[in-house]
Amino acid sequence: AQSVTQLGSHVSVSEGALVLLRCNYSSSVPPYLFWYVQYPNQGLQLLLKYTSAATLVKGINGFEAEFKKSETSFHLTKPSAHMSDAAEYFCAVSEEGSGNTGKLIFGQGTTLQVKP
Amino acid sequence: KAGVTQTPRYLIKTRGQQVTLSCSPISGHRSVSWYQQTPGQGLQFLFEYFSETQRNKGNFPGRFSGRQFSNSRSEMNVSTLELGDSALYLCASKTSGRSSYEQYFGPGTRLTVT
Repeated sequence: AQSVTQLGSHVSVSEGALVLLRCNYSSSVPPYLFWYVQYPNQGLQLLLKYTSAATLVKGINGFEAEFKKSETSFHLTKPSAHMSDAAEYFCAVSEEGSGNTGKLIFGQGTTLQVKP
Repeated sequence: KAGVTQTPRYLIKTRGQQVTLSCSPISGHRSVSWYQQTPGQGLQFLFEYFSETQRNKGNFPGRFSGRQFSNSRSEMNVSTLELGDSALYLCASKTSGRSSYEQYFGPGTRLTVT
């Protein structure tokens, strides 16, 4: 069965600092991987996705992630944090690696705090 | 194009009651999935409907059920509510094409069971 582990339930950075949110996955087949962001009292918004094309994926709001098969990782980064980046971030994997099913398996989430 | 809409946004029910939540997907999207989000268990997949048929099901008791209509709108029902059913219920829709990887989420329905 596929699974996702997000290291660190809470990450705090200063405004302008590098953001690094860690995600490791477990999958016996090539996975499709996603990062979502959730602001308070809102649903999930897709930041970026990996679907077996380029291993370095660029998303919205300046975020990017790199798929590393050897490390089974898909860490999310942003060079310079803004106050508006404060939110909860979820890494997810699509079941069975098909990408065409509607079942996503989510990590436990990481709350990003940005200090002025 | 309008996003995924969910109604109601907030709901308070009593233990033992039943509840129905509604989800309208993005126009043209035929797949609708439901997720439960709680502080303790995180985001958990409930089920997915595609063309009015349940295509996937998570590990939830039979009290949780759903359906999808011909216009792709979906409802989920929880019978005999328990305190532990208090959660944010999220609906997501996607297209059915070969490259249909992205799911688009609605704002959720916040259910409180007292």
